[in-house]
Amino acid sequence: GAVVSQHPSRVICKSGTSVKIECRSLDFQATTMFWYRQFPKQSLMLMATSNEGSKATYEQGVEKDKFLINHASLTLSTLTVTSAHPEDSSFYICSASGYNSPLHFGNGTRLTVT
Amino acid sequence: DAKTTQPNSMESNEEEPVHLPCNHSTISGTDYIHWYRQLPSQGPEYVIHGLTSNVNNRMASLAIAEDRKSSTLILHRATLRDAAVYYCILRDANRDDKIIFGKGTRLHILP
Repeated sequence: GAVVSQHPSRVICKSGTSVKIECRSLDFQATTMFWYRQFPKQSLMLMATSNEGSKATYEQGVEKDKFLINHASLTLSTLTVTSAHPEDSSFYICSASGYNSPLHFGNGTRLTVT
Repeated sequence: DAKTTQPNSMESNEEEPVHLPCNHSTISGTDYIHWYRQLPSQGPEYVIHGLTSNVNNRMASLAIAEDRKSSTLILHRATLRDAAVYYCILRDANRDDKIIFGKGTRLHILP
């Protein structure tokens, strides 16, 4: 079945540094990918919608200059957390789908900012 | 906002069927009903989806009310590995829409 690969699965970084998370659709072309953030014991919160070849659409309250999204090809989207701070520590999850098909999710990236 | 309502948590005994309800009274004619589940420290996993008719796959069954304002995910024989948070979500069939997650139902399986 369709697979979405997310890398890295876990990252620890120092405050003030930037971290890049990759999301790849392995056996299908994803015109749209979605980025979510999840805090402990809470549901997934949509951060942004990433469309191939165009600028991402951010949800209200999500800083686009802090969470840089690039969707350079139909199989790859990246999320860069810039100048990370401890409050950015969270579980980040990407998802992708082809047209009119279920979403498939990556296994998430646990970011810890020290 | 999420357009579905689910109980916060449910319990079931191992090897018994589980019926997880979902209300979606504002569903539109082109909305598919999707179910996903999330195991601890993992991304959500697709379970099943349907439009009007009941659906079966190797993981579960989906029973959709005739007026489509509610649905039930059925796990025919729960195992400990089915303990997860189950999300019921609506998604327009004609658009590559974003999905807004509600709080889901945390399913506990008792051995």
